[in-house]
Amino acid sequence: GQNIDQPTEMTATEGAIVQINCTYQTSGFNGLFWYQQHAGEAPTFLSYNVLDGLEEKGRFSSFLSRSKGYSYLLLKELQMKDSASYLCAVRTNAGKSTFGDGTTLTVKP
Amino acid sequence: DTGVSQDPRHKITKRGQNVTFRCDPISEHNRLYWYRQTLGQGPEFLTYFQNEAQLEKSRLLSDRFSAERPKGSFSTLEIQRTEQGDSAMYLCASSDSANQPQHFGDGTRLSIL
Repeated sequence: GQNIDQPTEMTATEGAIVQINCTYQTSGFNGLFWYQQHAGEAPTFLSYNVLDGLEEKGRFSSFLSRSKGYSYLLLKELQMKDSASYLCAVRTNAGKSTFGDGTTLTVKP
Repeated sequence: DTGVSQDPRHKITKRGQNVTFRCDPISEHNRLYWYRQTLGQGPEFLTYFQNEAQLEKSRLLSDRFSAERPKGSFSTLEIQRTEQGDSAMYLCASSDSANQPQHFGDGTRLSIL
């Protein structure tokens, strides 16, 4: 089976930088995805990593270390609209994805 | 491309009734996934299709749940003899290959009275 761990809640200040960590244990790893989900809405895709290293996409970056079973999502220049749940999902070779329970980020003025 | 569409958006039914949800994926996406999500939890995998073939079904699903994708386009998820514990948001997602991110619909919120 797969085990995915993320912090339940985080708080940060508008304009700051926040890092959301995700650790996982899986067999047949084939990619790690980050999604954003606002309350009452569907998850929307943010970023994904298949190889080790950093992927940058505007204010969002994601990092992966396959040997450590570790990823993080970095959000820069935080805005109030970034308050949401951030979901880490691990995909296996079979194409199936397993999601963590999400990290609820609250951005304060 | 209008995105993934799910119908209905909300469903309220009495315990013991059968319900059916529909998902229309992004056109030409050959992979379609069903998830269930409850408050404070991440989406929980239920099943997925590649074209019309159902490739995997979660062991957590009881026999009351069944899904179909008869022509490899839209899919239906049926829950028979609903129970209180079935109350959740049912999410559908699609992708154009196993290596691409999934795009989610807005979900169907099921409430069992």
